Formats: sequence, structure tokens, C-alpha cells
Amino acid sequence: EAGVAQSPRYKIIEKRQSVAFWCNPISGHATLYWYQQILGQGPKLLIQFQNNGVVDDSQLPKDRFSAERLKGVDSTLKIQPAKLEDSAVYLCASSLTSGGYTDTQYFGPGTRLTVL
Amino acid sequence: DQQVKQNSPSLSVQEGRISILNCDYTNSMFDYFLWYKKYPAEGPTFLISISSIKDKNEDGRFTVFLNKSAKHLSLHIVPSQPGDSAVYFCAASVSGNTGKLIFGQGTTLQVKP
Repeated sequence: EAGVAQSPRYKIIEKRQSVAFWCNPISGHATLYWYQQILGQGPKLLIQFQNNGVVDDSQLPKDRFSAERLKGVDSTLKIQPAKLEDSAVYLCASSLTSGGYTDTQYFGPGTRLTVL
Repeated sequence: DQQVKQNSPSLSVQEGRISILNCDYTNSMFDYFLWYKKYPAEGPTFLISISSIKDKNEDGRFTVFLNKSAKHLSLHIVPSQPGDSAVYFCAASVSGNTGKLIFGQGTTLQVKP
């Protein structure tokens, strides 16, 4: 079974530029998560989708971050414009069912973003 | 507001010995706890979990202990192997919630041959 795919793996941009990340969850997984992991910290949930609807985006900085999940499968996360403090690893995860609290989340390898 | 804390950034143990990784939490609503393991350049992978109705859960060399009164959990690895060298994150969630996980900062475990 293929895992969660993410691209690109690395991205370096200047501040105020835009960037987009792509995630393809495990086939058949209904729930998709985007996490931000800043160096030295644990992952922090940015947004959670169930199918193509948003379940939780309470920690998404909506003035600069946006995300969508097309047809309940792939997802993109965009930052526009980027700030220095956005430098982090952006992790995508998926889970099989409705995102219940015991539903195992499977993570992709992440995209490491460096903002100069 | 750090609801889940791993106060030891790193731990080094000898191969074959026990590794004990600790985690504290402040939110009494948490009732499901997990440990994830992360190798460099990979995403975290699920290791073991425990519900608040239990105080211990075992899976092979890995055992998680939960002390609800102290709001503390620990992961024991016995015996430790060099392949266990990784970053370990504890995470917590609330039943009836959306599955949102709150992660600790992580502890880097090094197992020396």
C-alpha cells in the first residue's frame, strides 16, 4: 500500500513570495490533515479535512495560509505571502475514517520550507 | 500554552538497556494518548497508544504507562536497539473530538551499540 505522498520535499523562497505544497493521501482515506512542525517543536495541526469539507482550521493563519482538498482526494496548502517565521516542515497526514480520536494518522515525509 | 510537554530533549542509552521517555500533560480532558517515532527526513510513524481507561499497554518491546493523577505518561523500550534511535513524540487527544492531536516537543533517543 502506497503511503502519503508529498511534494516538493524541499523549498527555499524569499520572504513575501508565495509557495504551494501538494499532498496525496493514502487511497481511500477520508480524513486529511496538514501540520506545521517548527524546528525543536512538535507538529501543530493547521487544518483538517473530512472528504472535501473543513473540520478544523482554528490554527490556520487565514490571512496568509489557504488550503483546499480537491474532490476529497489530493490537497494543496498555500502560503501567500511567506514570512520568515513560516520556515518549518509541513507534514500531511491521512486517516481512514472520519477522524475519530482513535483513528491512526499516517504521515507523509513532509516538505521542508526555508524562507530567507 | 504547551498542553503536552516532553521535558527531556534528548536521551542516550546503551544497546540492550531500558529506554524511558517521559511526557506530561496539563489538559485533564485528554483521554487518549499516543507515541509516534520519527526518523530523519521521514514523517512520524505511529508506535503505540493508550486509552485513559487503562494504565498500561504493551506491544512487543514497547510499553506505555499512564498515570492519570499525575498527568504523566511514559514509554519504555526494552531492550533498546540501535534501530530505535529516532525522535519520539507523545501526543494526546480528546474522545468525541475530531481526532486532533496535540504533540509534545519530542525527545531524541540515541541507542549506542
